[in-house]
Amino acid sequence: GAVVSQHPSRVICKSGTSVKIECRSLDFQATTMFWYRQFPKQSLMLMATSNEGSKATYEQGVEKDKFLINHASLTLSTLTVTSAHPEDSSFYICSARDLAGGDTGELFFGEGSRLTVL
Amino acid sequence: GQNIDQPTEMTATEGAIVQINCTYQTSGFNGLFWYQQHAGEAPTFLSYNVLDGLEEKGRFSSFLSRSKGYSYLLLKELQMKDSASYLCAVLESNYQLIWGAGTKLIIKP
Repeated sequence: GAVVSQHPSRVICKSGTSVKIECRSLDFQATTMFWYRQFPKQSLMLMATSNEGSKATYEQGVEKDKFLINHASLTLSTLTVTSAHPEDSSFYICSARDLAGGDTGELFFGEGSRLTVL
Repeated sequence: GQNIDQPTEMTATEGAIVQINCTYQTSGFNGLFWYQQHAGEAPTFLSYNVLDGLEEKGRFSSFLSRSKGYSYLLLKELQMKDSASYLCAVLESNYQLIWGAGTKLIIKP
């Protein structure tokens, strides 16, 4: 099946620094990737939809200047949390759809990245 | 508006059967997913239903009734490793996934 790799799996940073999370589709081309955030004991919340070669579409309430998304190629999307603060500490997960491979609508998830901001 | 309801928590015994229900009200419908999520990990795909009826996959089965806005996930021969959260999610017409809050399933020996 389709594989999505996310890196790093865990990151600890100081308040005010920026952190970049990578999401790669390893064996398929992902024209669309989704970034989710999950706070403890809560469900996944869609942050933004990342489209290859164009600007990301952010969900209401998500600051696009704080959460920078770049989808420069068909296999890589990055999420950069700029000037991170403790309240940004969360589990960030990316997912992608294999639109070319007989798309069933199934999302393939990365392993997730746990961000802790001190 | 958009709404997905599923029980917050359920408890079952090892070896038994458990049914997790999900009701939904969404803008358009392109299918319903069930995902399993262990604590601290990303969700993993269990099933996808777009037509009415029962889809069976090993110990897990998923049922959908579009007219009733209802689905359930049936887990048979429960094992301790099945302790996890089970997420119901609806794919809307614009391909956005609307997630339920998840059902935490606790398996007791």
